[in-house]
Amino acid sequence: DGGITQSPKYLFRKEGQNVTLSCEQNLNHDAMYWYRQDPGQGLRLIYYSHIVNDFQKGDIAEGYSVSREKKESFPLTVTSAQKNPTAFYLCASSSLGATSYGYTFGSGTRLTVV
Amino acid sequence: AQTVTQSQPEMSVQEAETVTLSCTYDTSESDYYLFWYKQPPSRQMILVIRQEAYKQQNATENRFSVNFQKAAKSFSLKISDSQLGDAAMYFCAYRLLGTDKLIFGTGTRLQVFP
Repeated sequence: DGGITQSPKYLFRKEGQNVTLSCEQNLNHDAMYWYRQDPGQGLRLIYYSHIVNDFQKGDIAEGYSVSREKKESFPLTVTSAQKNPTAFYLCASSSLGATSYGYTFGSGTRLTVV
Repeated sequence: AQTVTQSQPEMSVQEAETVTLSCTYDTSESDYYLFWYKQPPSRQMILVIRQEAYKQQNATENRFSVNFQKAAKSFSLKISDSQLGDAAMYFCAYRLLGTDKLIFGTGTRLQVFP
């Protein structure tokens, strides 16, 4: 079955550490996105990518980095510069030619700073 | 800039009853898409229903229907015959035609009581 796989489901980070969240899709979608979800704030866009080796900052990119070396993969690194990284992170993908459709989402990663 | 507002942080409904979740949005564009997503306790985002702005007819998917008022920039979701499994966070989202960016509201938590 086609879909998006995010791993791990839960992740714990110590202060000052970088951590990488994985996102893989087998839907042959061109575009991929990372959202952060906090209580009462909905989903906020961190980074997005339309094509391999190219990506753009979203609304809250500071303290995060991404790469898009393969069409299927869009990992997100939460760096030590991100001051409040505890949140739920959602990865999504979409076909750029199908604007009428929404996104397909992964099941998310819950990141906690310990 | 486009914005999406969900003014009801929480709603509750009795099983088998009907509930309406509100959503308003702000845009100067005429061609766009609107979506309702459901996020159950599993945190998986599920597309519930979508509406093309150029269609006057309100979208319907089984027990879920929308009341789309383009002039008022309103897009409410009606859930009929509510079931316990409908309990979730519901997010309204906007996508401008020809773009891929999805803009979310802050969500409404729906509780369903037996």
